[in-house]
Amino acid sequence: SYELTQPPSVSVSPGQTASITCSGEKLGEKYTSWYRQKPGQSPVLLIYQDTKRPSGIPERFFGSNSGNTATLTISGTQAMDEADYYCQAWDSSTIYYVFGPGTRVTVL
Amino acid sequence: EVQLVESGGGLVRPGGSLRLSCAASGFNFKTYIMNWVRQAPGKGLEWVSYISSTSSSIHYADSVKGRFTVSRDNANNSLSLQLNSLRAEDTALYYCARGDTGGSFKIWGQGTLVTVSS
Repeated sequence: SYELTQPPSVSVSPGQTASITCSGEKLGEKYTSWYRQKPGQSPVLLIYQDTKRPSGIPERFFGSNSGNTATLTISGTQAMDEADYYCQAWDSSTIYYVFGPGTRVTVL
Repeated sequence: EVQLVESGGGLVRPGGSLRLSCAASGFNFKTYIMNWVRQAPGKGLEWVSYISSTSSSIHYADSVKGRFTVSRDNANNSLSLQLNSLRAEDTALYYCARGDTGGSFKIWGQGTLVTVSS
């Protein structure tokens, strides 16, 4: 079965840039989405189709995907960005979805 | 307002059954793919099932295949998940999620908790 790998945690200072990686075999050939989940809340879509932001998501959230790695970059990180972040890949040929294990972002 | 509201969760014994429902509102339900995603307590997200807009295509995660059945009623804007032969490892918060562009899930419900325990 297909697996995605994420770092368990990322720490960042306020105002700095946080980068969260998501790795999987030939991930660049699949569409990747990113979600943010705060405690006790449902996930929120941040990035879809590798790089696109839904309406209402700030431009400081940036996505990329190439080779075996997708990356979510959060610029100007704020205290409100503390949350768990999940990547998710979709294989359109098999209609199979997989989530990464999640990365906890801490703003120190 | 675009909304998904799950219901039907509860405490069930191992081997038991449960039926979850998801009521959709605020969007043209019959034109969207729908999914179930679950999250065990303190754990990450796990995709469970997919159903196309017309129910012509249905897929399941290997962990639930043969035990869970997804269905939808487009006339009543509702999605269901029948859970049979439940196991302790099925304990989770079950979300319904609308399928959107590029295999993303843009709209999520608040989840309904299923606890499998004797």
